[in-house]
Amino acid sequence: NAGVTQTPKFQVLKTGQSMTLQCAQDMNHEYMSWYRQDPGMGLRLIHYSVGAGITDQGEVPNGYNVSRSTTEDFPLRLLSAAPSQTSVYFCASSYGTGYEQYFGPGTRLTVT
Amino acid sequence: AQKITQTQPGMFVQEKEAVTLDCTYDTSDQSYGLFWYKQPSSGEMIFLIYQGSYDEQNATEGRYSLNFQKARKSANLVISASQLGDSAMYFCAMREKVGTGGFKTIFGAGTRLFVKA
Repeated sequence: NAGVTQTPKFQVLKTGQSMTLQCAQDMNHEYMSWYRQDPGMGLRLIHYSVGAGITDQGEVPNGYNVSRSTTEDFPLRLLSAAPSQTSVYFCASSYGTGYEQYFGPGTRLTVT
Repeated sequence: AQKITQTQPGMFVQEKEAVTLDCTYDTSDQSYGLFWYKQPSSGEMIFLIYQGSYDEQNATEGRYSLNFQKARKSANLVISASQLGDSAMYFCAMREKVGTGGFKTIFGAGTRLFVKA
């Protein structure tokens, strides 16, 4: 049982480049979320999904796209990277409403 | 709009003493959940404790307890008998239902706890 996995662990992009952060979980969780963590800001919700085919925006969705074609995978796409997107990105999954979230190890992204 | 407020950016506590980390929240929903997570310097997020809005008793998990005061919309984390390994960042989070059956979880800015030997 791998839990929540994220790839890559580190990434450097140039402004304007695009990329996809991968997230997968093997716990058959319906709920998955993407957060970004900036110093002094805590974790801010980017997008979340309540099941395959269903996604919605969180607090800071601009510049990011998501899709959920399977229960297991929830990729986050940066369409045109900007320096303001330099952050640590966490993916999380949860069994249900009253249950804790399981977090991936994070992806540290730097945009130059 | 929902909001989680952690007013203590940093806290110091002496080893073996108890410490309270403050968290207030703002929601108009009746059904919600409150969580505390710990983030050590290694960066992973570790779940500590959960309190549902309809739970009448305060949640406890080992040395962690959640002081839930619904009318005041506060959900403070109490750590008893602090240990050096408790030095970390602590986040309060709230989960609300949205739409038809979904939910989203919002985090506070966090409190950094330093345990002194």
